[in-house]
Amino acid sequence: DAEITQSPRHKITETGRQVTLACHQTWNHNNMFWYRQDLGHGLRLIHYSYGVQDTNKGEVSDGYSVSRSNTEDLPLTLESAASSQTSVYFCASRASMGTGELFFGEGSRLTVL
Amino acid sequence: SQQGEEDPQALSIQEGENATMNCSYKTSINNLQWYRQNSGRGLVHLILIRSNEREKHSGRLRVTLDTSKKSSSLLITASRAADTASYFCATDAPSGTYKYIFGTGTRLKVLA
Repeated sequence: DAEITQSPRHKITETGRQVTLACHQTWNHNNMFWYRQDLGHGLRLIHYSYGVQDTNKGEVSDGYSVSRSNTEDLPLTLESAASSQTSVYFCASRASMGTGELFFGEGSRLTVL
Repeated sequence: SQQGEEDPQALSIQEGENATMNCSYKTSINNLQWYRQNSGRGLVHLILIRSNEREKHSGRLRVTLDTSKKSSSLLITASRAADTASYFCATDAPSGTYKYIFGTGTRLKVLA
């Protein structure tokens, strides 16, 4: 079955370190998204991609970057982790046609000390 | 800023009762979706309603959409303990950007 997987599921890091969260989907979807989830804010869009070599900034993109070198993967990088980036991160994908349903990974919980 | 705002923030009901949660949004939409999130898990799509639809059913779920009021409601009938989760509405823009903006969610607790 097709799926979307995130790794690591849990990570603790220190302020100033670079962190990369992986997202891999086997749906063959062109569209991929990264969200962060915080209490009181719901899910906020960080970056998104419509296809290979395409990346776009979302609502809360400062301090984050993504790259899209193939259809399956959209890694999210925190260049210099800050305590304000402690959150749960969700990757999602959707097809360009069809129902518009988003398929989510199980999330990556990041703690920045 | 959040496009969707759910109401209430939290809801506690007895098993067998109906649960209603509401979503308000700010701008024109193509469609509105509802998602469910169990504790510690990713979101799962429940139902989509398009801007030209007023009501949609899926099993025990009933969704309504009032574009004049920019609001939607999700009704879960005959709730079960397994329905305990957070529920989110998500809206997209008519421009077809494929982006979805999520609300802050309603935490539903169904007591057995």
